[in-house]
Amino acid sequence: EIVLTQSPGTLSLSPGERATLSCRASQSVSSSYLAWYQQKPGQAPRLLIFGASSRATGIPDRFSGSGSGTDFTLTISRLEPEDFAVYYCQQYDSSPPRWTFGQGTKVEIK
Amino acid sequence: EVQLLESGGGLVQPGGSLRLSCAASGISFSSYAMTWVRQAPGKGLEWVSVITSSGGSTYYADSVKGRFTISRDNSENTLYLQMNSLRAEDTAVYYCAKGSSIAARPPSFDIWGQGTMVTVSS
Repeated sequence: EIVLTQSPGTLSLSPGERATLSCRASQSVSSSYLAWYQQKPGQAPRLLIFGASSRATGIPDRFSGSGSGTDFTLTISRLEPEDFAVYYCQQYDSSPPRWTFGQGTKVEIK
Repeated sequence: EVQLLESGGGLVQPGGSLRLSCAASGISFSSYAMTWVRQAPGKGLEWVSVITSSGGSTYYADSVKGRFTISRDNSENTLYLQMNSLRAEDTAVYYCAKGSSIAARPPSFDIWGQGTMVTVSS
């Protein structure tokens, strides 16, 4: 079973700053099978990035994803007030079919 | 408008049963695999189950295998989760979500409902 470990647990930044979130997998993950979600308090998750680097519909271009193998990164180039939230990475493993989430990174206002 | 609306949550005693529903609108429901994901209070997201577009294949997390059953009615655009032998650790908000591609086993999920709360307590 592939385990996803996100770091840091909490990121304290100011609006306008750059945020770099890490997602490390215990085994190699196909880039096609790595996604990132944003979740705000009391709301459902929202898909940001799929296929490691493709933005979902309507996602601003300040959000970008990168990485391969076991190391993936979500970057928010300039934080907007609405970007303070919890971010989860998620992967799909085909053998056996299984979907797993990282434990999340909270981006909070400094 | 694309929408997923969950219902059926509530308070149930340990060992009890509950059936969740997820009504879809504004999407070609029968074309997409669907999933249930849960979130315990103050915790992260946990994948629960996936069902393919036809309903012919289902997949479960080890934590619910043998106790939960996912199903769908494509004529009614509705997804279900039958939960039996409920435990305190099943307490969570349960979300339904739509596969982001028409793949039988989509790697991600792009449309989510607002969730329904399930509380297992005596």
